[in-house]
Amino acid sequence: ETGVTQTPRHLVMGMTNKKSLKCEQHLGHNAMYWYKQSAKKPLELMFVYNFKEQTENNSVPSRFSPECPNSSHLFLHLHTLQPEDSALYLCASSQGQGILNEKLFFGSGTQLSVL
Amino acid sequence: TQLLEQSPQFLSIQEGENLTVYCNSSSVFSSLQWYRQEPGEGPVLLVTVVTGGEVKKLKRLTFQFGDARKDSSLHITAAQPGDTGLYLCAGGRGTYKYIFGTGTRLKVLA
Repeated sequence: ETGVTQTPRHLVMGMTNKKSLKCEQHLGHNAMYWYKQSAKKPLELMFVYNFKEQTENNSVPSRFSPECPNSSHLFLHLHTLQPEDSALYLCASSQGQGILNEKLFFGSGTQLSVL
Repeated sequence: TQLLEQSPQFLSIQEGENLTVYCNSSSVFSSLQWYRQEPGEGPVLLVTVVTGGEVKKLKRLTFQFGDARKDSSLHITAAQPGDTGLYLCAGGRGTYKYIFGTGTRLKVLA
């Protein structure tokens, strides 16, 4: 496998469920990102990890909990979500060299529906 | 709130036509990237521009970064159905932080 892989591709969950999204990158990158893409809003940055350390939390509600056990894997743990959290959740990675124009490589996303 | 406005929001054209997509902001960005996203997939990077006034060409696509580094344009010559997709600009605001534009959905009809 190459690139950035996200699982599952689709997820339907109730508001009381707990689920996790998984992202794995095979590019040897050191930075990983979670973005949220809603139907009528621009792509929103949620979290950034660089060398497993969280460097950005864009005021994301605590019902979203990220985890980065190593530079290749990133998780997003979900609990007690709201219907307005339904969206496409995209994972991305970049080299993580701290330069100003890092290139982002995105996965195909997880389409989440909260009922 | 830093906002990158793209225009037009939607564009439907015939194969062979030319088009320009604009990305505007009141903020200065360290770099500007353009991505294309197809249905069911994540965005794919097309180009990065970093210098004010910079022009880059990628086959039939021409990208320009404004002199003041607040705006950018994407021009496609002789559009083809394979160019269909959602075009996103993204402005760099420091390390690892990118502000994405509102998007332009392009459909090229055969």
